[in-house]
Amino acid sequence: GNSVTQMEGPVTLSEEAFLTINCTYTATGYPSLFWYVQYPGEGLQLLLKATKADDKGSNKGFEATYRKETTSFHLEKGSVQVSDSAVYFCALSDPDNYGQNFVFGPGTRLSVLP
Amino acid sequence: EPEVTQTPSHQVTQMGQEVILRCVPISNHLYFYWYRQILGQKVEFLVSFYNNEISEKSEIFDDQFSVERPDGSNFTLKIRSTKLEDSAMYFCASSNRGPGNTIYFGEGSWLTVV
Repeated sequence: GNSVTQMEGPVTLSEEAFLTINCTYTATGYPSLFWYVQYPGEGLQLLLKATKADDKGSNKGFEATYRKETTSFHLEKGSVQVSDSAVYFCALSDPDNYGQNFVFGPGTRLSVLP
Repeated sequence: EPEVTQTPSHQVTQMGQEVILRCVPISNHLYFYWYRQILGQKVEFLVSFYNNEISEKSEIFDDQFSVERPDGSNFTLKIRSTKLEDSAMYFCASSNRGPGNTIYFGEGSWLTVV
């Protein structure tokens, strides 16, 4: 079945540090890949997405590239801010496998210190 | 920007009581979902709903759960006889297309069973 693995947190960085959160997936078809963010006390918000190999999703300074050869979708940001402190979820949706709706990774908690 | 809205934002209920969580999906969306997140754990799929019927459900979605779209705007999740382990954040989501496409989440309903 489909699954998503991402690095376990928590991740603690200083402001302006470089961020990488690793995400790898297993899918039987050709999934779309997503990063969602959950700020403290809030719901899940779409951060970025990519629907096919080599696509790069980007938003708010975050980027992730769909790498089919390594089945990865790592999230990066060049300079984090305190306001980026949140839990980040990698997810996939497989259009060829209707029985598996959105599958989420376990989430990675990021804390950015001033 | 259109959004998914959920009520209540927080509910405390006695074990064994029935609970109904309400959602108003984005108006032109056709696919509806419920997910849950037990505190500190991953986001888990419960059920998807399309064309006025359940299209997929997980093992979690047993006989004590039911969903309904009673009118053209609301989408509800009913838990018939709550258990302590039902305490979680419940997220409603909707999409205008099926698997492989972005789904949009509400802010969540935090259910505490005591």
